[in-house]
Formats: sequence, C-alpha cells, structure tokens
Amino acid sequence: GQQVMQIPQYQHVQEGEDFTTYCNSSTTLSNIQWYKQRPGGHPVFLIQLVKSGEVKKQKRLTFQFGEAKKNSSLHITATQTTDVGTYFCAGTMYNQGGKLIFGQGTELSVKP
Amino acid sequence: DGGITQSPKYLFRKEGQNVTLSCEQNLNHDAMYWYRQDPGQGLRLIYYSQIVNDFQKGDIAEGYSVSREKKESFPLTVTSAQKNPTAFYLCASSMGGDDTEAFFGQGTRLTVV
Repeated sequence: GQQVMQIPQYQHVQEGEDFTTYCNSSTTLSNIQWYKQRPGGHPVFLIQLVKSGEVKKQKRLTFQFGEAKKNSSLHITATQTTDVGTYFCAGTMYNQGGKLIFGQGTELSVKP
Repeated sequence: DGGITQSPKYLFRKEGQNVTLSCEQNLNHDAMYWYRQDPGQGLRLIYYSQIVNDFQKGDIAEGYSVSREKKESFPLTVTSAQKNPTAFYLCASSMGGDDTEAFFGQGTRLTVV
C-alpha cells in the first residue's frame, strides 16, 4: 500500500502568502523527488534530494530532506498565481529496484 | 524530438472489454512506470520495469498486465478483471537506478461505459 504520506491535501492561499507541503515516509528513503502538475497536465520534475538534511532552493521554492531521510517539505515564499497546481513528493526506498512511490499530492490554489 | 508518448489521449471502452494503452519513449531510458491517478489519491503505481523483459507489480496491479519486449515500449492492458478502470493513466520513464528523475507522458484518460 501507500507508504509515502503527504499533507495537506488542499491549500488555498491569498497571493503573496507562503505555502508549505509536507511528506512523510514509513521507511528510510534513498531519495525524495518533487513534482508539479498543472491542472490538466502531467507531473513535471522539480528537484531531487539525496543527502540527509539536504536543503535546496529554486528561486521562491525551498526543499528540505529530513535528517533521518524519512520526511521532506516544500516551501513556497510569496505565492503567485503561476504556482497553482498539485505538488507531489515521490520517494525511492532502498533495495526496491528503483520503485518510485508518490504521495497523494497537495493541491494549491492561489487567489489573486 | 525526444520524449515519452502516450496514446490515445482519450479512450472509451465498453465494460467487459480489454483495452491496451500505449507508451513509447525515445530517451533511451531503462526504467518505465505506469501510474493510475484518481482525484484525491495521487499517483498509484501499477507496474514498473527496470530493464527489458522484466517488470514488477506495483501497489495496484490487480486487473492489469504489461509487457516489456522492447526498451522503448511499455504497453499497459486494462483487463475486464479491473473493477473500476475509469481513470487517468500516466506512463513515465527514467534512466533507472535510485537517483534519477522520471519523465511523464501526457496521460491517457480511460472511460469505461
């Protein structure tokens, strides 16, 4: 069954507010990846985190990987309407032959 | 023009019929995946393949079958045994191994009536 949990399921923000989505795994992950799916589209890769405690930034987006490599977060500073979409985390477990398991996703809506 | 192609974009079938969804990639990727997407449930893994002529069941393989006879192709058959086949199906590929990003096709929306 699903081993990667993601919260919240939905988030509605006013443009300019911050947004965070959280991802938790029941087992230690080899890596965590983040994807964005625009309405009507397909998931597009954003970033991958591999190292324990790793933090990466892409403009207004900050990605973190927990020390135990079981949790991760994506934070968006000062949201814009172009940030609208569903954000997914996806994890690969050790010794699972590259099996990529997705979280349920967080759907972000931004009110102008 | 490299990429991963799913066809058709929309597919309608009558209940009780098997249907095969196509997925082709020219990225020279070893690994390929099939996911099912339903509202509020994210992407659930149906089958995945790390190499030609080998594939593994995902979390919801019942009622589905796949083949990987060629590196570039990973077709998914939705059989009549699948109780609720209406969904959005996404195919993805990656270089393989643990640390590589997945590239997705545009998806096939299957409606069974």
